[in-house]
Order: sequence, then C-alpha cells, then structure tokens
Amino acid sequence: DAGVTQSPTHLIKTRGQQVTLRCSPISGHKSVSWYQQVLGQGPQFIFQYYEKEERGRGNFPDRFSARQFPNYSSELNVNALLLGDSALYLCASSKTQVAGNTIYFGEGSWLTVV
Amino acid sequence: AQSVTQLGSHVSVSEGALVLLRCNYSSSVPPYLFWYVQYPNQGLQLLLKYTTGATLVKGINGFEAEFKKSETSFHLTKPSAHMSDAAEYFCAVSGYNQGGKLIFGQGTELSVKP
Repeated sequence: DAGVTQSPTHLIKTRGQQVTLRCSPISGHKSVSWYQQVLGQGPQFIFQYYEKEERGRGNFPDRFSARQFPNYSSELNVNALLLGDSALYLCASSKTQVAGNTIYFGEGSWLTVV
Repeated sequence: AQSVTQLGSHVSVSEGALVLLRCNYSSSVPPYLFWYVQYPNQGLQLLLKYTTGATLVKGINGFEAEFKKSETSFHLTKPSAHMSDAAEYFCAVSGYNQGGKLIFGQGTELSVKP
C-alpha cells in the first residue's frame, strides 16, 4: 500500500507569492495533519483535519490555511510568503483523530522562499 | 500543555556501543509518547510509541524505550549501534485529549563511528 504522498517535493517561491502543497493520506486514513520543520529544529504542528473539518490549529498566522477534501486528501496554502516560511512541510495521516493513533509522515515538500 | 526536552543535540557512539538518547516530557494530562527517526532529506519514520500498558516498549530496528512516569522520561536505547543508525531522532508527546497533535523535541543527531 502507498504511504503518505506529498507534492511537489521541492519548490522555490519569491517573497509575497502564494504556495499550495498537496497531500494524499494512506488509504483508509481519515485524519490529516500538517507540520512545518525549519532546518535544525523539530516539526511544529500547523493544522489537523478530520472528516473535512479543522480539529486543531497551531500557533501560525492566518496566512496559513488548509482544507480536506471528500477523498481525505488535503491542501496547505500559504499566502504572502516570507523568507522565514522556508522549511520542510510534512503531511501526516492517521486512521482517526484519537490520540495515541500511529501517525505516519510523508517525505515532505521542501519550500524555499527567495 | 505539553513539552519535550531532548538532552544533547548531538550524540556520537562507536559501532557496537550502546545507544542512549534522552527525552524528558512535561504534560498536564496522561501522555502518549513517540520516537521518530529522520534520515537525511526524508520524512519521519515511527520507531516506537507508548500509549498505555507495559512501560517498556520495543520498536523497530532493535530500539526500545521505557516510560518512567516518576522521572517524566522516555529515553531511547539500543544495545549495539550500527552504522545505519546514523540519523536524526525526535521524541514527541501527545496528550490523551490532543488528538493527532504531536509536540516534538528539538531532535538529537546520532553519529556512529566505525
């Protein structure tokens, strides 16, 4: 079975632009979460979606938004990009939103803002 | 609120030596604890997790960790290091009422010398 898949794998954007990152969860998983990992740091929680509803939000500005589709795939959007948004963006999926569920991560999308 | 502290940003061991990576957590609710490994330019792979029950948890690749509530610790060990163990290791915590939100430590880079 395919794992969590993310696209694109690498992208370069200019300050002020907008970016959309995509994620397909493991088949049968209904919960998708997004994390930002800045170089040299641990991942930081951005959003969790379950059954197409936002179930959790981390301490990120409103420039960050996400949504989940009926097939449980998800998109993360970042508007008005700043240099500090350069990071690895990780998508994770789990069967449900229940704590303790095994959470599986994708390979990530590397975003560079210049 | 939860937090994780990983003691030592970089640990170096010789091949065949004991691996010990330290993790202390803070949680106002019963915690669920996780160890993930990240190889260069890749996503996160789950090594093991503690939810309830037995406090000594065995994971993949010969790793294990012990949940010690009195010490608020969840240290990761492996009896004999292999060159392929060289990677970044992250400890993470989730509260039982926190759903899929993981709080990560800063990570520990493990180097294995021949």
